[in-house]
Amino acid sequence: AQKVTQAQTEISVVEKEDVTLDCVYETRDTTYYLFWYKQPPSGELVFLIRRNSFDEQNEISGRYSWNFQKSTSSFNFTITASQVVDSAVYFCALSSYNTDKLIFGTGTRLQVFP
Amino acid sequence: GAVVSQHPSWVICKSGTSVKIECRSLDFQATTMFWYRQFPKQSLMLMATSNEGSKATYEQGVEKDKFLINHASLTLSTLTVTSAHPEDSSFYICSAPTSGVAREQFFGPGTRLTVL
Repeated sequence: AQKVTQAQTEISVVEKEDVTLDCVYETRDTTYYLFWYKQPPSGELVFLIRRNSFDEQNEISGRYSWNFQKSTSSFNFTITASQVVDSAVYFCALSSYNTDKLIFGTGTRLQVFP
Repeated sequence: GAVVSQHPSWVICKSGTSVKIECRSLDFQATTMFWYRQFPKQSLMLMATSNEGSKATYEQGVEKDKFLINHASLTLSTLTVTSAHPEDSSFYICSAPTSGVAREQFFGPGTRLTVL
């Protein structure tokens, strides 16, 4: 069975702090995709990244970076120099390679205070 | 980029009535669409896979007679919540993947259903 665990339910930081959101996944598939989505209060999901299981290279996009460690089945997300606009719920998700069905984690609510 | 729309964005109805939610892919065709449900402060749970031209595939525990799905065309899937009850109040989100090698999945903005 596939499962995504986001152990941090809620995180509060002060602006400009760095913050890391953890994601641990379980799957028996050898090939799969991992995702991060942002859900602001409006509810609309904002796509942040997709990573396939063959690519363990870490990725950086502006203030965002992702650390994929296949050995520990983790796909952590770091926001550097957080801003108030980063306040949202962040979801990690998993899909098999041959399906578009997404298994979501429970989400981490990030609050960034000025 | 590709856009998926949902209509209505919110709806309030009385218990016992049926509510239809539309999901449209605006600039691409989608043979498959997905319907997710999100209760307040909870995660998104996949309800069903909508298949153009054939029956929907429901996830375990989802009542197919209560949540009717119709994928009438390559750009439209509808979810009808029949005989809605307060416990059906939720945020319903659809998604649609594009086709081809560079496959991406796009989410609709969601529909907030409140059943009184």
